[in-house]
Amino acid sequence: QQQVKQSPQSLIVQKGGISIINCAYENTAFDYFPWYQQFPGKGPALLIAIRPDVSEKKEGRFTISFNKSAKQFSLHIMDSQPGDSATYFCAASKSYSGGSNYKLTFGKGTLLTVNP
Amino acid sequence: DAGVIQSPRHEVTEMGQEVTLRCKPISGHNSLFWYRQTMMRGLELLIYFNNNVPIDDSGMPEDRFSAKMPNASFSTLKIQPSEPRDSAVYFCASTFYNEQFFGPGTRLTVL
Repeated sequence: QQQVKQSPQSLIVQKGGISIINCAYENTAFDYFPWYQQFPGKGPALLIAIRPDVSEKKEGRFTISFNKSAKQFSLHIMDSQPGDSATYFCAASKSYSGGSNYKLTFGKGTLLTVNP
Repeated sequence: DAGVIQSPRHEVTEMGQEVTLRCKPISGHNSLFWYRQTMMRGLELLIYFNNNVPIDDSGMPEDRFSAKMPNASFSTLKIQPSEPRDSAVYFCASTFYNEQFFGPGTRLTVL
């Protein structure tokens, strides 16, 4: 019940195209859903996050869509650029409460390549 | 703030040797996480601490691995004895209200 399933494993997109990565979770107690971006040789970095009280969150070219009933969420990268080429991880957890943080359950990652 | 600091950045050792990885979290963050990343297994949580107390160590592979957090500004992950299958990148992350900030990682190679 702790799994987060991510697809596709790899994705190739042309510059200017839309990149879409999907995730599904099982644990209905999860209420925090971040996406992390990792470049080679670096640690993952938070890209954007959403809570289940909204169905969509947009930051620049990056949008998270959230479907609570389906227990699915996705990352859309509009106008994809070669600089977006990286590995993207979705994750899920319970929100911070009572002075405690909870562990993130990560997806397996998606290697995105944006061709110029 | 300098971010999460990990040392060493690279470690090459021989099988059977003791390895100690170090982490300094961001000041004011009350949770610290240790991860291991490999191509085969992806990003795995090994252990995490809240307010210096270990909360979940179910990801620690076996008794050869141990982690400590003696105070809010320092944590260690020790492998004794090391084995070639321990070769991986080990990340430390500290957390402020859900958001995890990852360090640059330590690339461990066990020969």
